Amino acid sequence: KQEVTQIPAALSVPEGENLVLNCSFTDSAIYNLQWFRQDPGKGLTSLLLIQSSQREQTSGRLNASLDKSSGRSTLYIAASQPGDSATYLCAVRSGGGADGLTFGKGTHLIIQP
Amino acid sequence: DAGVIQSPRHEVTEMGQEVTLRCKPISGHNSLFWYRQTMMRGLELLIYFNNNVPIDDSGMPEDRFSAKMPNASFSTLKIQPSEPRDSAVYFCASKRGTANQETQYFGPGTRLLVL
Repeated sequence: KQEVTQIPAALSVPEGENLVLNCSFTDSAIYNLQWFRQDPGKGLTSLLLIQSSQREQTSGRLNASLDKSSGRSTLYIAASQPGDSATYLCAVRSGGGADGLTFGKGTHLIIQP
Repeated sequence: DAGVIQSPRHEVTEMGQEVTLRCKPISGHNSLFWYRQTMMRGLELLIYFNNNVPIDDSGMPEDRFSAKMPNASFSTLKIQPSEPRDSAVYFCASKRGTANQETQYFGPGTRLLVL
């Protein structure tokens, strides 16, 4: 059974810093990995999707990498801003034809102004 | 596009009552997912449908939970009878297809409190 772990569970940094969020998964047979953002009381918004054949994806100040063989992904946020404060969730779509996502418990990020 | 629509947004009920959560997926999407989020367990997949057909319901916790998708634009998740441990946020998500590059779009969730 696929398990997804995110470290750290919470992170607080001053505005302007670059930061890295970590995600690991136990079964490397995945179709893709996604990073989502969740704001309090809201649904999830997809940030980046990395297919299993890809190594990284970039969107603006965000860069996500995938090392499928080691079961790891990182989300890099450059020049953090207070508006980046949210919970960031990592999710994998496992192989074997399954279409649902397995989520980590998230990293709660606070960017101090 | 209105996005995924869920109703109600909040529901407070008493133990033993029937609860029905509703979801309207994005038009043209043919996959629909129900997830549950709690502090202890995080986000968990309950069930998903492709072309209105339930594909995987292994995440449904008990027989008290049931889900239907009578047509491409509507799905329900029913809990009968409800228990306090069912208190959680229930999310519905939809996806355009099964291709690897397609992402799921989430609704705002229904916050359920069972007293």
